[in-house]
Amino acid sequence: DIVMTQSPDSLAVSLGERATINCKSSQSVLYSSNNKNYLAWYQQKPGQPPKLLIYWASTRESGVPDRFTGSGSGTDFTLTISSLQAEDVAVYYCQHYYSNFPLTFGGGTKVEIK
Amino acid sequence: DVQLLESGGALVQPGGSLRLSCAASGFTFDTTAMSWVRQAPGKGLEWVSTISGNGVNTHSIDSVKGRFTISRDNFKNTLYLQMNSLRADDTALYYCAKVYLVGTIPPKGYFDSWGQGTLVTVSS
Repeated sequence: DIVMTQSPDSLAVSLGERATINCKSSQSVLYSSNNKNYLAWYQQKPGQPPKLLIYWASTRESGVPDRFTGSGSGTDFTLTISSLQAEDVAVYYCQHYYSNFPLTFGGGTKVEIK
Repeated sequence: DVQLLESGGALVQPGGSLRLSCAASGFTFDTTAMSWVRQAPGKGLEWVSTISGNGVNTHSIDSVKGRFTISRDNFKNTLYLQMNSLRADDTALYYCAKVYLVGTIPPKGYFDSWGQGTLVTVSS
């Protein structure tokens, strides 16, 4: 099974400042035949279901603000919120969809306002 | 718009059974893989099971194999999760999720739409 490890578990960032969340997979999720990273990011606000933010490691889902950026390749990935807004308070999860099952999520990173 | 509406969650005793349903609308259901993802209280997300659009291929996490069965009725646009031999550690909010398919064998991908969830509590 591919283990997804996120860091930090939580972070507090001032409004307008940058938030950086890391996700590491126990094996590469880069598929060499198409050069795509099989990695997605989700945002879960309190009391709500998760919402897809990013897929293919760096492609923003329609309607997602451009302050959210996904980057990385292979085993190391980053979700960056360039200028934190109050509505970005949430838990963020990475998920691989590479190869066979099980699909696995990272443990989540809670983002709060400092 | 895609809509996913789960139902069937309840308080059930250990060893009991429950069937969850997810009514889908706003997309072509019979060509779309679907999944169940759960979230224990205060915990993270855990993929549970996936079924292909035609219902032929199913996959589940090891901890529910032999106890949970995912199925679908493409005439009713409804996804199901039959849960037997329930245990305390099955207590969770169960989400129905639409899969954006990136591979067909097995049917896998990321989850581009989610329902609001239905709560299953296993306790005596």
